[in-house]
Amino acid sequence: AQKVTQTQTSISVMEKTTVTMDCVYETQDSSYFLFWYKQTASGEIVFLIRQDSYKKENATVGHYSLNFQKPKSSIGLIITATQIEDSAVYFCAMREGRSYAQGLTFGLGTRVSVFP
Amino acid sequence: AQTIHQWPVAEIKAVGSPLSLGCTIKGKSSPNLYWYWQATGGTLQQLFYSITVGQVESVVQLNLSASRPKDDQFILSTEKLLLSHSGFYLCAWSLLGDEQYFGPGTRLTVL
Repeated sequence: AQKVTQTQTSISVMEKTTVTMDCVYETQDSSYFLFWYKQTASGEIVFLIRQDSYKKENATVGHYSLNFQKPKSSIGLIITATQIEDSAVYFCAMREGRSYAQGLTFGLGTRVSVFP
Repeated sequence: AQTIHQWPVAEIKAVGSPLSLGCTIKGKSSPNLYWYWQATGGTLQQLFYSITVGQVESVVQLNLSASRPKDDQFILSTEKLLLSHSGFYLCAWSLLGDEQYFGPGTRLTVL
């Protein structure tokens, strides 16, 4: 069974700095997909970035990038030049390749607070 | 552009009463649809998914049911609410195996 673990409960950073969040996953599938989502204070859940297991290059979208370490089953999220509006809860999620129609398994989330 | 709408925005219901939550996706044909539940301060737990009209698969048994009466509509319901049903219900859609996009959610309080 698939499992996603986020051990950092909360992180506080100063504005314009870089924050890194950890995520470790477990799966028996050789093909899988990893995602990061952000949940704002209003509850809105926003898709940020994805990493497909067969891709060696780390994904990058805007000021979000991933640190994909496949041998360690790790997919870290890096946010550079943080802004106040980056304050949110960040969820790591996974979907196994053989179950494309099924939903995502989420981690417990990491709360990020960005201070001026 | 695709839009996803959930109704109602919030509900306060009594234990034992029925419930019906809805989700509509516009702008996408034959999407995969999902229901998730989130306890206050918790993570997202998948409840149901559907890949076509009339077909719904259950992932977790929480005394809830789901139906997909139309290609763009997903309904979550129960005949008798429990206190444990309180939380945030989110509908999501995806195309094939791509990333999922979430609706604004419905906050449910069961008293």
